[in-house]
Amino acid sequence: AQKITQTQPGMFVQEKEAVTLDCTYDTSDPSYGLFWYKQPSSGEMIFLIYQGSYDQQNATEGRYSLNFQKARKSANLVISASQLGDSAMYFCAMREGLTGGGNKLTFGTGTQLKVEL
Amino acid sequence: DAGVIQSPRHEVTEMGQEVTLRCKPISGHDYLFWYRQTMMRGLELLIYFNNNVPIDDSGMPEDRFSAKMPNASFSTLKIQPSEPRDSAVYFCASGISSGANVLTFGAGSRLTVL
Repeated sequence: AQKITQTQPGMFVQEKEAVTLDCTYDTSDPSYGLFWYKQPSSGEMIFLIYQGSYDQQNATEGRYSLNFQKARKSANLVISASQLGDSAMYFCAMREGLTGGGNKLTFGTGTQLKVEL
Repeated sequence: DAGVIQSPRHEVTEMGQEVTLRCKPISGHDYLFWYRQTMMRGLELLIYFNNNVPIDDSGMPEDRFSAKMPNASFSTLKIQPSEPRDSAVYFCASGISSGANVLTFGAGSRLTVL
């Protein structure tokens, strides 16, 4: 079974609009972390935001926020006020277990976001 | 900090040749990961180290692949002999076993095997 599912292969959004990228996950471990990475066309992987399973509040980092719905096992990324530079592939990832147990990440298949004028 | 340094950035080789990819993690990070990215399979974890010791190599595709970490500041991923299906972008990432454990990725090594 897929541990991380991103159902939107591609998304379009107009500049200055908000966009939500979907991510659902599957784990039986009560301790886990959820991450979003951005991969522009240049290829590097850029960390955006992190949410721990015990965090009470949704994570925010500038224009990025993570809509964490634990009961639904979803961790959607919200980008507010989209910019042309936000055009990229976005990956959701999960780390299972406590930090001392190894922090390998399992990635979803990604969502290609295109910001249009 | 210079971040995670990978070399070479691009490698084109012929089938059957040996390929060595190199990685210098961020100083002080105790975890190092090798990932492979292809269109067909996405991002796959190949192997990871903790304090220079290999912890999980279950993602290494076959015996042609090997990875070493002789010290805290250097790791190699070797493919011998290389095959066209090994063509991919290989990422090295490092992390620290505290806090959010965010992995920092290198810029990747794009391998093309002809």
